[in-house]
This record gives sequence, structure tokens and C-alpha cells, in this order.
Amino acid sequence: SQQGEEDPQALSIQEGENATMNCSYKTSINNLQWYRQNSGRGLVHLILIRSNEREKHSGRLRVTLDTSKKSSSLLITASRAADTASYFCATDKGLNTDKLIFGTGTRLQVFP
Amino acid sequence: DAGVIQSPRHEVTEMGQEVTLRCKPISGHNSLFWYRQTMMRGLELLIYFNNNVPIDDSGMPEDRFSAKMPNASFSTLKIQPSEPRDSAVYFCASSLRPWDRGNQPQHFGDGTRLSIL
Repeated sequence: SQQGEEDPQALSIQEGENATMNCSYKTSINNLQWYRQNSGRGLVHLILIRSNEREKHSGRLRVTLDTSKKSSSLLITASRAADTASYFCATDKGLNTDKLIFGTGTRLQVFP
Repeated sequence: DAGVIQSPRHEVTEMGQEVTLRCKPISGHNSLFWYRQTMMRGLELLIYFNNNVPIDDSGMPEDRFSAKMPNASFSTLKIQPSEPRDSAVYFCASSLRPWDRGNQPQHFGDGTRLSIL
């Protein structure tokens, strides 16, 4: 079963707008990760946020984590056409292992 | 630096044939993962290794699938015999996990697109 569920499933915006994607999960976690996948390519790691962190920034990316609601959000500011991709969250289900459970992904389309 | 290298990039074969997918992880990484991605089921973890030892193979669909990691720089995923429902994109990923910390970012190859006719 899916640990992470992203919302929305698809999102279309214009260049320069902000894009917000949400991830909900079901169990406790040690950390949560976000990945990007361009068409025909492998996943690329974007950011990792630990369970004791509430917010993290990396360039135009901002990730928040609310462990009480078991949810996370990824905000991409000032989007560009090159941000067009699928975005996935992944969690460890609170286990001290390498295993990650990936969500279903959000397909982001940024129009120039 | 070279990333995770997978071969072949594309494979088309007839059902019943043996298929072998190959992966070279990033040098120095000690964990290796095999995933399968389909539209219907998304990204599924099939098996992962730590220090060349299989740790969790609960995602391997059935006995037709097998994976090996004979050394730190090479792994294979084999399907024998292959079936049309095995058609998917198969990804290999690697990571470096310090003994005292939780899971770390995974680095993915560009996958093998497998089509079983």
C-alpha cells in the first residue's frame, strides 16, 4: 500500500507562478524526502527533512513538515518551464532501515 | 562523478525469455535498491542490499525474479521466464548510509525500459 499520497495528482501553472504540492502519510517517520522525475529519467533527490524539523529551504524550494497531521508540502517559487516534472515524496515509516516508500506523485506542468 | 549506471536502457524480448538487468552503483555507496515503476502501481521497491547482502526482498513479485550483488560495484536483476505483465521501467538506486543514521538520499539510474511481447 502507498505510504505517501501526493495531492494534487496533476498541476498546471504559468512560468513565474508558485507551485505547491502536498504529501500525506500514514505512519510515524524519521524523515521525509522529496524527489523529482523528468520524463524518461530516474528520480533525483531534492530535499530531506527530519521529523524534528518543521521547515527547510533549498534555493527556490521550501518544504514544510507537520508530523501531527502526518503531512508535508513542497513549494516551488517562481516556477520555470524546466521545473516540469513529476514530484514524489518518500518516507521511511519510522523504521531504522534504508527502505523508502514512495508516494504516487504529482505531475507538474509549467507553461512558458 | 559517474552516477548510477544501468544497462541496457531498453530491452524488448518475447515472453518466456530470460532477462538480465545490470546496475553499477556509485562508488563508495553501501546500499543498493531495485525498483519497478508502472502507471498502475507506481514506484515499487523490489529488493535492497546493504554491504552486498540482501536485506529486504519482500517486494520481489514471485520466484521468477532474482537479484544478486556479487560485489560492491555490480548488481543484477534477473527475470526467468519473463511474462508480458513484467513490462515496466526498472530502476536501480544507491545510497551511502552511515551506521548511526537513518536512511539517506538515494541516487537513481535512468532505468531500463523493459517490454515483454
